[in-house]
Amino acid sequence: ILNVEQSPQSLHVQEGDSTNFTCSFPSSNFYALHWYRWETAKSPEALFVMTLNGDEKKKGRISATLNTKEGYSYLYIKGSQPEDSATYLCAFQTSYDKVIFGPGTSLSVIP
Amino acid sequence: DAGVTQSPTHLIKTRGQQVTLRCSPKSGHDTVSWYQQALGQGPQFIFQYYEEEERQRGNFPDRFSGHQFPNYSSELNVNALLLGDSALYLCASSPGLAGGSRRYEQYFGPGTRLTVT
Repeated sequence: ILNVEQSPQSLHVQEGDSTNFTCSFPSSNFYALHWYRWETAKSPEALFVMTLNGDEKKKGRISATLNTKEGYSYLYIKGSQPEDSATYLCAFQTSYDKVIFGPGTSLSVIP
Repeated sequence: DAGVTQSPTHLIKTRGQQVTLRCSPKSGHDTVSWYQQALGQGPQFIFQYYEEEERQRGNFPDRFSGHQFPNYSSELNVNALLLGDSALYLCASSPGLAGGSRRYEQYFGPGTRLTVT
């Protein structure tokens, strides 16, 4: 059974702090790694899709790195803002057909 | 572009009943995946449809079935509902092979909240 883990489960930070989360996934049969932001009462929003070992992606204050050989990805948020409060999901894609999600990291940014 | 739409938004059913959930993919997308999200968990993959056929399936019983129509919209059917089927059901569409380098991207709908009593 393929398992995707995320840590921490939840995080509370002060506005302006920088933070990072970890996603661990199987190092074999890798196809792609997705990061999503999911705000309450909204649809999950795609942040990044990474396919190559060593990939680094950046969108504004949010960035992500990928290590497929050791099976982990980091998501970084620089200078957290209250609007960054959401659940951050990573998903491991083994083939074009199947995506396995982690349980998510819930981030609360305190003004 | 309306994005991915799902209906209904909320649904309450009784144990043993059957339910049909509907999804319209984002314009230009031909692949639809369905997920079940229980409280406190990440979305669990149910199955994926492409060219009107189920292409891949997660660990869900046969009570969960689906269909894709020629216009790429999709339905998720659940028979003999159990209390444990109460969850948020998400539909996601992707551009498939026609999407080139973007074929991996999935766009999610708002979900259907199913409550089984």
